[in-house]
Amino acid sequence: NAGVTQTPKFQVLKTGQSMTLQCAQDMNHNSMYWYRQDPGMGLRLIYYSASEGTTDKGEVPNGYNVSRLNKREFSLRLESAAPSQTSVYFCASSNYNEQFFGPGTRLTVL
Amino acid sequence: QQQVKQSPQSLIVQKGGISIINCAYENTAFDYFPWYQQFPGKGPALLIAIRPDVSEKKEGRFTISFNKSAKQFSLHIMDSQPGDSATYFCAARTDVREYGNKLVFGAGTILRVKS
Repeated sequence: NAGVTQTPKFQVLKTGQSMTLQCAQDMNHNSMYWYRQDPGMGLRLIYYSASEGTTDKGEVPNGYNVSRLNKREFSLRLESAAPSQTSVYFCASSNYNEQFFGPGTRLTVL
Repeated sequence: QQQVKQSPQSLIVQKGGISIINCAYENTAFDYFPWYQQFPGKGPALLIAIRPDVSEKKEGRFTISFNKSAKQFSLHIMDSQPGDSATYFCAARTDVREYGNKLVFGAGTILRVKS
């Protein structure tokens, strides 16, 4: 049981480049999330998917898009990366209460 | 605008001492208050959680105290150990039936326990 997996672990992009962060969970959870973590800001929700086929904006969605490919997978896309998107990105999935987090992707945009 | 305010930002405690982290909120629709623990290089993991119909919940050395009227809740770590050194986040959730299982997190507290 791998839980929540994320790829890649680290990524460096130049301003304007695009990339997709991948997330998968094997716990048969309906809900999945993307957060960003910045020093002194806690975890801020980017996008949320309550179930396969649905997605909703969170607190900081600008500059991001998501795809809920199936029940297991939820990807986050940066179409044109900006230095302000330098952060650590976490994917999570949940049952009714507890959210389970992946190990994170550390992204640097130069 | 932070819906859940957490303090302090950082905390240093001697081994065996009590660590106390506080959180305050404004939204009375919050119905679930978890604490997450995060070690360096890892994702956060649920530590302990409470609902607003109880004033205290204890699990081992970790206790949540909840004051509904003051809209405050706190995490107490008794007999703090060096292995407790981590970042701690409080969080809150609004009505899951209307808003889904979405959490709002505090800014985090970096705890260091000195041996």
